[in-house]
Amino acid sequence: GAVVSQHPSRVICKSGTSVKIECRSLDFQATTMFWYRQFPKQSLMLMATSNEGSKATYEQGVEKDKFLINHASLTLSTLTVTSAHPEDSSFYICSARDPGQGNSPLHFGNGTRLTVT
Amino acid sequence: SQKIEQNSEALNIQEGKTATLTCNYTNYSPAYLQWYRQDPGRGPVFLLLIRENEKEKRKERLKVTFDTTLKQSLFHITASQPADSATYLCALGSGNTGKLIFGQGTTLQVKP
Repeated sequence: GAVVSQHPSRVICKSGTSVKIECRSLDFQATTMFWYRQFPKQSLMLMATSNEGSKATYEQGVEKDKFLINHASLTLSTLTVTSAHPEDSSFYICSARDPGQGNSPLHFGNGTRLTVT
Repeated sequence: SQKIEQNSEALNIQEGKTATLTCNYTNYSPAYLQWYRQDPGRGPVFLLLIRENEKEKRKERLKVTFDTTLKQSLFHITASQPADSATYLCALGSGNTGKLIFGQGTTLQVKP
């Protein structure tokens, strides 16, 4: 089945630094990828929709200058958390779906646990 | 605003029994509903999809119902096993964007 790989799985960084998270679709081309954030015992909150070759679409309340998304190829999207602060500590998960299948299930990466000290 | 509610309290059942999880929603008319399983520290894994014009879907020990009048979906696991212990998320979608709105999930604990 379709596989989405996310890297790194865990990262600890100091406040004020930037962290890049990669999301790759391994056996299909994803024109659209989705980035979610999940706090403990809470729902997945959609942050942004990453579109290959164009700008990402951000959800209300998500700072686009803080969470930079790049989707330069059909198999790779990156999320960069810039000038990270402790309140950015969370579980970030990317997902993608096979194109052309409107309501098909999302394939999720295994998430990145970000801890900002 | 759109709201999805799943029972936030953990569901504890005995092995072999049927687990039933509930997903209610308001201010939304989804074209389809999906159920995912999430294990601690991992990304969600897709289980079942049911469309608005479908009443029930089955897959092995899993069954999902979708009542658009009640705005509710029920997720059943029959003959539950300890390996079924996880958090189960419902997600609603509409249109062709692939964008999903998730509930907060219900944690199921199956005791041997």
